[in-house]
Amino acid sequence: AQTVTQSQPEMSVQEAETVTLSCTYDTSESNYYLFWYKQPPSRQMILVIRQEAYKQQNATENRFSVNFQKAAKSFSLKISDSQLGDTAMYFCAFTHGGSQGNLIFGKGTKLSVKP
Amino acid sequence: EAGVAQSPRYKIIEKRQSVAFWCNPISGHATLYWYQQILGQGPKLLIQFQNNGVVDDSQLPKDRFSAERLKGVDSTLKIQPAKLEDSAVYLCASSLSPMNTEAFFGQGTRLTVV
Repeated sequence: AQTVTQSQPEMSVQEAETVTLSCTYDTSESNYYLFWYKQPPSRQMILVIRQEAYKQQNATENRFSVNFQKAAKSFSLKISDSQLGDTAMYFCAFTHGGSQGNLIFGKGTKLSVKP
Repeated sequence: EAGVAQSPRYKIIEKRQSVAFWCNPISGHATLYWYQQILGQGPKLLIQFQNNGVVDDSQLPKDRFSAERLKGVDSTLKIQPAKLEDSAVYLCASSLSPMNTEAFFGQGTRLTVV
């Protein structure tokens, strides 16, 4: 079975500092995508960053970057220069075969950014 | 561009009653998804539509849940009869096509069954 595990239920960081959220996954597929989604109190899931498994280069989107370790099946999210607006639930997600809406999510990490 | 619209935002019902949720995807998006998010967990896919056809409903509890997308645009998810464990947020998402395109989520409907 394909699973996504987030081992940090809650994390906190000071404004302007850097924080890393962890995610591991399990699959026997070779073609898949990994995602980090942000869910603020409004409940809307917002895509933060996406990584294709066949790409060796780690994805980056402004202050957000990933450390993708395919052999270890690890996919961590680094948030640099944390801002108060980054406070939210963060979910790691996985899909295979290119269907980017048919997702398997982890249980999430609650991130609090403190002033 | 308007996002994925869902209604209602909140719903409280008694167990054994029925309830329906409505989703209007982004214009032109052929693929539509319904997810169930129980408190403290990540969302779980219930059903995926491609236009008005079902692509994946393997995790839909078909004895009480049903969904339709008759004209390939709006969709309705129904629960009948509801159980206490159905209390959750129901999220709708849509994408331009099923492959290699980002899915966009609505704000969900929070259902409380008492």
